[in-house]
Amino acid sequence: DAKTTQPPSMDCAEGRAANLPCNHSTISGNEYVYWYRQIHSQGPQYIIHGLKNNETNEMASLIITEDRKSSTLILPHATLRDTAVYYCIVRGLNSGGSNYKLTFGKGTLLTVNP
Amino acid sequence: DSGVTQTPKHLITATGQRVTLRCSPRSGDLSVYWYQQSLDQGLQFLIQYYNGEERAKGNILERFSAQQFPDLHSELNLSSLELGDSALYFCASSVVTGFGGYTFGSGTRLTVV
Repeated sequence: DAKTTQPPSMDCAEGRAANLPCNHSTISGNEYVYWYRQIHSQGPQYIIHGLKNNETNEMASLIITEDRKSSTLILPHATLRDTAVYYCIVRGLNSGGSNYKLTFGKGTLLTVNP
Repeated sequence: DSGVTQTPKHLITATGQRVTLRCSPRSGDLSVYWYQQSLDQGLQFLIQYYNGEERAKGNILERFSAQQFPDLHSELNLSSLELGDSALYFCASSVVTGFGGYTFGSGTRLTVV
């Protein structure tokens, strides 16, 4: 799986959009970009994933650049409960068709301030 | 409630002992993954099972073993415990096919004293 690079920490004001960047310059054509978050000592929580098109769900939006070498997770209106470590993960699918392991890096600690 | 159930939530045991952590995946999920999270190592993938068979192995010590039973629940066995094995152990499950996300349980906090 391709390696990802994220800033170690970011701050955001409550109510504002939080834009979390991720670099994955070695991503290959069949690899997806996944975002998870982990609120202190809780189990990681899936947020969103995408291949090449931008994606949006009830939690966030994912913007992937045209060359797919980087992406941005957008939390449109951050709240204090969004304070967490956010992980950007690139994942392929093994040849057998079953799901493949996720490799977590250090992620970005997003702190939402009142 | 994520649908993935891990028991026990907390476990305190002495060095040299053996413990078993249990995970019940979300209904319909055939894949189970075990992760270890210690303060200095982050989330480390240990092992994956798919419908009872081992599918992928990560940084799992020889003192650790796992299995997935016919009812799809999984157990992680940790033996000859050392202080350094103190960590949060998470189980996750996923559907057979497709590219959806994993669902994680709330973890078991193991403290070795």
